[in-house]
This record gives sequence, C-alpha cells and structure tokens, in this order.
Amino acid sequence: EIVLTQSPGTLSLSPGERATLSCRASQSVASSYLAWYQQRPGQAPRLLIYGAYSRAIGIPDRFSGSGSGTDFTLTISRLEPEDFAVYYCQQYGSSFLTFGGGTKVDIK
Amino acid sequence: EVQLVESGGSLAQPGGSLRLSCAASGFTFSGYGMNWVRQAPGKGLEWVANISGSGAITYYADSVKGRFTISRDNSNNTVYLQMNSLRAEDTAIYYCAKGSWRSFFDFWGQGTLVTVSS
Repeated sequence: EIVLTQSPGTLSLSPGERATLSCRASQSVASSYLAWYQQRPGQAPRLLIYGAYSRAIGIPDRFSGSGSGTDFTLTISRLEPEDFAVYYCQQYGSSFLTFGGGTKVDIK
Repeated sequence: EVQLVESGGSLAQPGGSLRLSCAASGFTFSGYGMNWVRQAPGKGLEWVANISGSGAITYYADSVKGRFTISRDNSNNTVYLQMNSLRAEDTAIYYCAKGSWRSFFDFWGQGTLVTVSS
C-alpha cells in the first residue's frame, strides 16, 4: 500500500497569497498517476488535477500541479475566497487506491 | 451535465444491512466504471469499491471485502452498494464517484450518510 503524507496539515493564508501544498508518497507513484481534489465544507470532493499536472475541465489556471516519483505539489497562485477548503491527493498507480490525509487552507 | 444522486443512507444496527443506490445521468453510463468512496465524520477519504462498465469485474478495499457488494443496473443507470455485517467503523458519508479501475474520480455525487449504532 502506498501511503500519501500531505503537509502542512493546515495552511493559514490571506486572499491573493500563493499556496503551496505537498504530497509525499511512501514509494514511487507509477506514471505520475496522482490526482488532487478540493472539498469545500459540506460539499463533495471535486477533481482539480490528474496525471500530476493536468487540470480537470473547468478548473481555473491559478491551480497547477507538479512533481513525479514520490514528491508532488499543488500550487494555487493567488487565493480566491472560494479556494479556502480542504485539499486531498490520491494515487491511482497501484491496485490499492489511497488518499492523503488532507491539507486545510484557511483564512489568516 | 453529469449528475450522480445517492440515496439509501440511514441509521443501522451493528451487524445489520443497508443498500445504497446512485442514480447517474448525463453520460453513457455503461461505458464507465463506477466507485463508492466514503468519509468518516471529520476524517479523510477512503476508496471502498469499483465496478467495471459492464459490471463483470469488481474490486474492494480490504476493510469491506466479504461484507460489501457493488453492483450495477445499466438499463436504469444505477449503481448499488449492498452493505452487510455493518460495524460502527462503517459510519461515514458514502459518495458515488465516476471513474475506471486504477483511475481518478472525475465526478462525485453529494453523498449519503450511513450511521451504524445501537
């Protein structure tokens, strides 16, 4: 089982600031099969990024993904009010699909 | 527009059973795999089960294997999760999510709450 560790647990920032979220895997993620999701309070998760860096349909270009192997990053270039939420990474490169524990981005 | 609408969540006794349903629309249902993903209160996400587009192939997380069964009815665009031998640790919001095996989940329903308690 690939364990995904997200850091930091909470990121306190102001609107307009840049957010950098980390997802580290316990072993290499095959073919960069890594996705990112956003979950706002009381809502279902929403796909943001797949294949480590490809934006899903309708996702603004302030969201970007990068990384390979065991280290992946989600960057939000300028935080908008609706971006304050919890973010999860997920790997699908192995038969045992796993999610990270999440990073909460809250308003400073 | 893709829509996934779950139903069937409720309060169940430990050892009891429930069946969840997810009605899909807005895409060619039989052409895609479907999943159930759950989230315990205040916790993260856990993949539960996957079924292929035809329904012939299924996969389960170890935590539910032998207790839960995923199935689908392509004539009614619905996927099901039969949950038996329920435990307190099965308490969670259960989401239906579109996606093939070993893939990401591109659309999610709003979820249905299952509470297992005596």
